[in-house]
Formats: sequence, structure tokens, C-alpha cells
Amino acid sequence: AQSVTQLGSHVSVSEGALVLLRCNYSSSVPPYLFWYVQYPNQGLQLLLKYTSAATLVKGINGFEAEFKKSETSFHLTKPSAHMSDAAEYFCAVGERGSTLGRLYFGRGTQLTVWP
Amino acid sequence: NAGVTQTPKFQVLKTGQSMTLQCAQDMNHNSMYWYRQDPGMGLRLIYYSASEGTTDKGEVPNGYNVSRLNKREFSLRLESAAPSQTSVYFCASSDPGTSYGYTFGSGTRLTVV
Repeated sequence: AQSVTQLGSHVSVSEGALVLLRCNYSSSVPPYLFWYVQYPNQGLQLLLKYTSAATLVKGINGFEAEFKKSETSFHLTKPSAHMSDAAEYFCAVGERGSTLGRLYFGRGTQLTVWP
Repeated sequence: NAGVTQTPKFQVLKTGQSMTLQCAQDMNHNSMYWYRQDPGMGLRLIYYSASEGTTDKGEVPNGYNVSRLNKREFSLRLESAAPSQTSVYFCASSDPGTSYGYTFGSGTRLTVV
């Protein structure tokens, strides 16, 4: 089974500061990779996904993530945090070639943005 | 709008009561899932269904049953609710043949007292 580790269950940044949320995966074959965001009292929505050769993926709301095979990482970044970015973020992986399409999730990182 | 619809959004049960959480998707997806979300535990898979008529256990199936009624609907049943089942439940669907990744419902917040 796939394994996902999100380093840091809580991250706090000031408004305007760089956001960096870390995600590492365990897989012998480069998987599909995802970041989902969950705003308070809402469901999860897709932020971005890596499924092809382009290793730098741009998502919604100014977020981007870079797939680094050598580091088995898929860290999420945003150059300048906004108060509206406060949410929980989940990294997920899926197996290439799977007919089910199941995703394996990290435990989540709660992002707090201070004014 | 196309998506995944869950009902109800909120529910309070007494210990020992039963209930069914409903989930329906209108994206013609083959795969459907039920997760529970607890603080600090992330998302844990309860049951999943790869296609109409098939279901399989996930990581935490005890105390739950599911039915894949047709391609659209996937229900989760608690036969005898326990306080440990207090959680937020999410249904999701996917179809890796067309677009990899999940579409989630908005969740059901369940409290068992």
C-alpha cells in the first residue's frame, strides 16, 4: 500500500509570508499526487494534482507544488499567504494503473495565517 | 452542478440507534468510497466500491455496513451506533479511466450520545 507523510500537523505563518507544507510519499513507482484543501466545516476540494511529466504543478488560489522523484516529495508552496488560506491541507497519492483509483491520504496539516 | 450529494448534513443519535447515510453522484463514476474524519487522524477509509454490486472493507469497517444500490448511490449504515462512531463522514467518487482523483461530498457530521 501507498504511504504518505505530512511533516508538521500545524503550520503558522504571517500574512504575506511564504507558505510551505511538506509531503513525502513511499512508493517504488512515481505515483499520482494530489493536494486537497478543507475549509472549516466544509468538504475537501482539489487544490492541484500531478499526473504527467510536468513536475511543477500550478493549482488554484496561487498554490503550486513540485514533484521531486529523488526526494519522493511533493511539497506545496505559496509565495504570499492570505488570511483566506487558513484551512486544513491534505496530501494524497494514487497508484498509476489502478482500476479502482483509490487515494491514500496524509494526516493533514492545519495552516494558520496571522494578520 | 455535477457532484456528490450526501444526506443528512447533521445527525444526533442515541447509543444503539441505527441510521443510514446516503450518498449519490451524478458523474457516472465507477468507484465510490466512505471515509471518516477525526481530529488528528486524517481520513480513514471505511468501505469502498469499485463498481455496481461490489463492495470491500477499508481500514476501519467494524460497526458499519454498505450498499451499492446502483452506479449512482452508495449508502453507509450504522446498525447500532456507538459514541466511538461520532465523527464527520465523507463520501467520495472517482473514475481513474477518465480523470484521476476524488470528488467529495460535503460531509455528514454525526454525534452519538
